[in-house]
Amino acid sequence: DAGVTQSPTHLIKTRGQQVTLRCSPKSGHDTVSWYQQALGQGPQFIFQYYEEEERQRGNFPDRFSGHQFPNYSSELNVNALLLGDSALYLCASSSGTGALYGYTFGSGTRLTVV
Amino acid sequence: GIQVEQSPPDLILQEGANSTLRCNFSDSVNNLQWFHQNPWGQLINLFYIPSGTKQNGRLSATTVATERYSLLYISSSQTTDSGVYFCAVERPGTYKYIFGTGTRLKVLA
Repeated sequence: DAGVTQSPTHLIKTRGQQVTLRCSPKSGHDTVSWYQQALGQGPQFIFQYYEEEERQRGNFPDRFSGHQFPNYSSELNVNALLLGDSALYLCASSSGTGALYGYTFGSGTRLTVV
Repeated sequence: GIQVEQSPPDLILQEGANSTLRCNFSDSVNNLQWFHQNPWGQLINLFYIPSGTKQNGRLSATTVATERYSLLYISSSQTTDSGVYFCAVERPGTYKYIFGTGTRLKVLA
């Protein structure tokens, strides 16, 4: 049973560029959340997708956008990259609200903006 | 917003020692998990424990929701236990985890 799969694992982009990160949820999960983890910090919630809609959003600018597909996989897009966007981006999946069994996290995509 | 504080922030142990990590939260929660983040960044789920006590091998956890804290016990620590331990909580009616400040554990051989 595959867990949460994220791609790519590492990425280097130039300031001002755009990036797309991808996430496939754990089998049986229908909800995908995205988190940003800066070096030495705890993960910070970006947004959550359920039934192809953004259900909740954290304190991130509109440069961060997402999408969920009918097969429950998800993309995170970041436009006009800034040096401060360099971080580990984590995807988490859950079933429904996540309140019953918790969240399963992927291994993350490490983004470096130069 | 809810505050989630973990203690101690740093911990160094000799292999074989026991330890207790604490997570305090400032408001009611309906969801709590403990994670171990390995050196490669992956968050490994240790316990989903919004209340009560659970055990898994050398690890156990207890959450007392009414008193707003959770404890993670590590017994007979091993070098592979090194890394950062996070607790994360979810408030009722929200769909996001708030992560604690983390405990950085180093186990020496």
